[in-house]
Amino acid sequence: AQSVAQPEDQVNVAEGNPLTVKCTYSVSGNPYLFWYVQYPNRGLQFLLKYITGDNLVKGSYGFEAEFNKSQTSFHLKKPSALVSDSALYFCAASPVGASKIIFGSGTRLSIRP
Amino acid sequence: SAVISQKPSRDICQRGTSLTIQCQVDSQVTMMFWYRQQPGQSLTLIATANQGSEATYESGFVIDKFPISRPNLTFSTLTVSNMSPEDSSIYLCSVTVQETQYFGPGTRLLVL
Repeated sequence: AQSVAQPEDQVNVAEGNPLTVKCTYSVSGNPYLFWYVQYPNRGLQFLLKYITGDNLVKGSYGFEAEFNKSQTSFHLKKPSALVSDSALYFCAASPVGASKIIFGSGTRLSIRP
Repeated sequence: SAVISQKPSRDICQRGTSLTIQCQVDSQVTMMFWYRQQPGQSLTLIATANQGSEATYESGFVIDKFPISRPNLTFSTLTVSNMSPEDSSIYLCSVTVQETQYFGPGTRLLVL
């Protein structure tokens, strides 16, 4: 079965430090890959996506993600964390040509002042 | 991108009643999706709704419990029928625009 894994339920980082939220996928072909963020009592907001091309994708709010085909990973990164980055982050994958999207279980990011 | 609105934003309902959730998009889209999410957890796809055809339901979800309408390319409704406390959840609609899914703000439902 196709799946997306986020191995960490929670990531804790001090403000100003770099952050990484991990994601690996098991999806056939060359899937489209996504990161979404969900703030409390809000819907999911699109952060960034990888379809093809450069392995480093830049997105909203200073986030970027690194695609690694050999490791089937798509880790989310930010050079300097802000307290306001504290939220729930979802990695997702969509097989090419498919309408459905497969979500990971989510990682709660907590940035301490 | 797409701007999506949902009504109501939240509701508290009695068991045995039904609630209809509306989803409005600011552009015409072929497919709309309805998801359910327990707070702090991942999303579960309920069904995919195409305009002019019956919705396609995922395993574990049935039309009698979650009837969906899709009268045009910018609007859809999801009804949660004969509600029980187990239906308490966040319901989200989404659309695909240029290979990316965008989500509405969600409807927070509490069934007593």
